[in-house]
Amino acid sequence: DSGVTQTPKHLITATGQRVTLRCSPRSGDLSVYWYQQSLDQGLQFLIQYYNGEERAKGNILERFSAQQFPDLHSELNLSSLELGDSALYFCASSVGTSGRGDQETQYFGPGTRLLVL
Amino acid sequence: DAKTTQPPSMDCAEGRAANLPCNHSTISGNEYVYWYRQIHSQGPQYIIHGLKNNETNEMASLIITEDRKSSTLILPHATLRDTAVYYCIGGYGGSQGNLIFGKGTKLSVKP
Repeated sequence: DSGVTQTPKHLITATGQRVTLRCSPRSGDLSVYWYQQSLDQGLQFLIQYYNGEERAKGNILERFSAQQFPDLHSELNLSSLELGDSALYFCASSVGTSGRGDQETQYFGPGTRLLVL
Repeated sequence: DAKTTQPPSMDCAEGRAANLPCNHSTISGNEYVYWYRQIHSQGPQYIIHGLKNNETNEMASLIITEDRKSSTLILPHATLRDTAVYYCIGGYGGSQGNLIFGKGTKLSVKP
């Protein structure tokens, strides 16, 4: 158990819909990262937040957005869903003492499996 | 793009040592080498990391060559539960902090 929790574990929805994925980092961790894992793309970094502020962006679509709240939990919002958005979505957290995340071990949650029909 | 190269698959007999190689000839001097594994579709699990020196923890040992161009992850006594995809990751993509995953090595531990 990494200490990172994600809800829900599974999500089935239809194209065009909007969903919210939730992540609670390990106690004391300030940085949260979101990754997407699809069959054809492997694990791809989406976005990082540090202490409530966006720190880095990866291959995140404009239809996707995220935020980190004052209690440090984070939400990933996926809208106008398409079939290709079906994937595993992982959240990770790290201590974030530097704010940059350099050479900081990231601990991953169990993921949310999203299926868009 | 990932900065590391790994064999796509390896087999290991249960109880024997599993030695997983990784080439990371392009990582910079201050970038660490991290190893994670992913069992089936679970979240990636941190194993070990190192910069220059060899490292050991309760899960594995990491041997880094002196020129830092390659490393080997050693699972001393592989069990069936060690069957997973193992990812070697060089650095953290600079100041961004994100991990750049390659395709990893699928390790199959056989009885």
